[in-house]
Amino acid sequence: DGGITQSPKYLFRKEGQNVTLSCEQNLNHDAMYWYRQDPGQGLRLIYYSQIVNDFQKGDIAEGYSVSREKKESFPLTVTSAQKNPTAFYLCASSGEAQYFGPGTRLLVL
Amino acid sequence: GQQLNQSPQSMFIQEGEDVSMNCTSSSIFNTWLWYKQDPGEGPVLLIALYKAGELTSNGRLTAQFGITRKDSFLNISASIPSDVGIYFCAGLPRNNAGNMLTFGGGTRLMVKP
Repeated sequence: DGGITQSPKYLFRKEGQNVTLSCEQNLNHDAMYWYRQDPGQGLRLIYYSQIVNDFQKGDIAEGYSVSREKKESFPLTVTSAQKNPTAFYLCASSGEAQYFGPGTRLLVL
Repeated sequence: GQQLNQSPQSMFIQEGEDVSMNCTSSSIFNTWLWYKQDPGEGPVLLIALYKAGELTSNGRLTAQFGITRKDSFLNISASIPSDVGIYFCAGLPRNNAGNMLTFGGGTRLMVKP
């Protein structure tokens, strides 16, 4: 079954803690993206990667970091520098069109 | 970043009615995409449009790539309760080096049985 998987579905972060959100795709897409969605809002681009070992900041990269060591994987770390991390995080990949994963909801304890 | 102008922001309709929503921009786009998002889920691609004037259907959904390449619309015929959700348009601007989409603000559709 081809698609994009994100884990976990829900993630809780304590103050001062870094947490990592997983994103895997088996669509053989070169490009991958991370978006943040706040309640009732649209999508804002955090980071994107056009190819393995390369990534670029999006519109709201501060407090986040990524890596792209494998074509299939694009993990996002929410660092302690991100002061308002509570949101719904969506990973996507694109070939001819862009497809989204099921999302991870991050909550702060 | 830039957002597309998507309207209406929300619609509350009776089951069986037809629905129309659209996205406009001052810039030219090479691709238009329409997504549906259910609560707590990721957006699902409904229709992709790649050519100006293109009219594409997917079941009860029909979308068109505007001839000026600056707009697109999505129609849903004979709405049913499971059509409830948020519909997003997205476009790939001309001269976009990073394949990055520009998104509309979404249309929240509510259907009364």
